[in-house]
Amino acid sequence: EVQLVESGGNLIQPGGSLRLSCAASGFSVSNNYMSWVRQAPGRGLEWVSIIYTDDGRYYADSVKGRFTISRDNSRNTVYLQMNSLRAEDTAVYYCARSYCKSNIYYNAFDMWGQGTMVTVSS
Amino acid sequence: EIVLTQSPATLSLSPGERATLSCRASQRISSYLAWYQQKPGQAPRLLIYDASNRATGIPARFSGSGSGTDFTLTISSLEPEDFAVYYCQHRNSWPLTFGGGTKVEIK
Repeated sequence: EVQLVESGGNLIQPGGSLRLSCAASGFSVSNNYMSWVRQAPGRGLEWVSIIYTDDGRYYADSVKGRFTISRDNSRNTVYLQMNSLRAEDTAVYYCARSYCKSNIYYNAFDMWGQGTMVTVSS
Repeated sequence: EIVLTQSPATLSLSPGERATLSCRASQRISSYLAWYQQKPGQAPRLLIYDASNRATGIPARFSGSGSGTDFTLTISSLEPEDFAVYYCQHRNSWPLTFGGGTKVEIK
């Protein structure tokens, strides 16, 4: 079955660190563009970060310098290392795959995980 | 950063009616716009990519149009399962951004 499964969400104090994992099955993360997208409670969607097949990475300004996206091809897993967490980082974090057709990547997300909740609070 | 403004915020319609949702970009984004549907407690689902291309498995009642700064998602005849929140998202430049969403609710 083709799917993404996130894990690692938790209640964490402001200033703390957390690492989220996104395990893929049915396809290889190494051959795909993979992103993290978050959604604060009752709010809209916010793109967070992306990792390209050539290891290129981009970040939203709101997380730049604090979050790091990475990939372990042997585990077929994408990670999001989150440092210096703030209350405004509280959200469900989704892992998502960019749609690819004929080797063209569209950066529209055709596969999503179920999400993992991160709560930043003292 | 490109700002996407969706309107209306809420659309109250009955099953069988036509829904027209708008997404306006703060600068030109060619056709680099996607539409998603999200139901409560679920992840978003890709409906349309590059303004007018239906994603795999999306029914033909969903259609997208537009280019430049003004885009439209049309649901030709609402089915009960179509009542949800819809988001647009651009891929023109960094950062990728989403619109604030339009909720399509049952009238």
